[in-house]
Amino acid sequence: ETGVTQTPRHLVMGMTNKKSLKCEQHLGHNAMYWYKQSAKKPLELMFVYNFKEQTENNSVPSRFSPECPNSSHLFLHLHTLQPEDSALYLCASSQLTGTGIYEQYFGPGTRLTVT
Amino acid sequence: AQSVAQPEDQVKVAEGNPLTVKCTYSVSGNPYLFWYVQYPNRGLQFLLKYITGDNLVKGSYGFEAEFNKSQTSFHLKKPSALVSDSALYFCAVRDIKAAGNKLTFGGGTRVLVKP
Repeated sequence: ETGVTQTPRHLVMGMTNKKSLKCEQHLGHNAMYWYKQSAKKPLELMFVYNFKEQTENNSVPSRFSPECPNSSHLFLHLHTLQPEDSALYLCASSQLTGTGIYEQYFGPGTRLTVT
Repeated sequence: AQSVAQPEDQVKVAEGNPLTVKCTYSVSGNPYLFWYVQYPNRGLQFLLKYITGDNLVKGSYGFEAEFNKSQTSFHLKKPSALVSDSALYFCAVRDIKAAGNKLTFGGGTRVLVKP
């Protein structure tokens, strides 16, 4: 729909598991973002990548490890998570060139449950 | 630092009545302002943005927003609400002085339109 896809859509994992979330954008954008959405804090920016380089880490615990191999793909590697990490994880992308002001386009999210 | 406040956690209106969702912002310079909507089990969808120019901005699905610099507000409006407008609405701001395209989101307002 928006040109940003996320897989999987739902994930249940134990606290000792390792899993990865994948985001792909088909819009030719050069900035990508990870957000966490939970009932306590509706939208928390986690990481920002501009032209494949990480430009922001918003004090995210090291059990979350992002990877941006190219401008179209963004991963979030998860390991030894805690139950409070259960949330909806949203990926977004935007244009970052020229003089225009560009909105972010969001994927549908991955609903993560940590047991 | 930039910030956004959405003073109402929830807004209830009857179908056919006007809908207003409030947003106030704080930035050090001039703001870029955005409205997004989130339907259940979906990512955020862009509705409209204010960059410069006319204070009344028209967006998708019949929504509009009015920028008021003196009151530092950017309220979202719809003249006649539909049941299908029931969703979670987010206001966001980007400081004109900020690098990149980082947005700061408000806490969200849940809109319930009753038949």
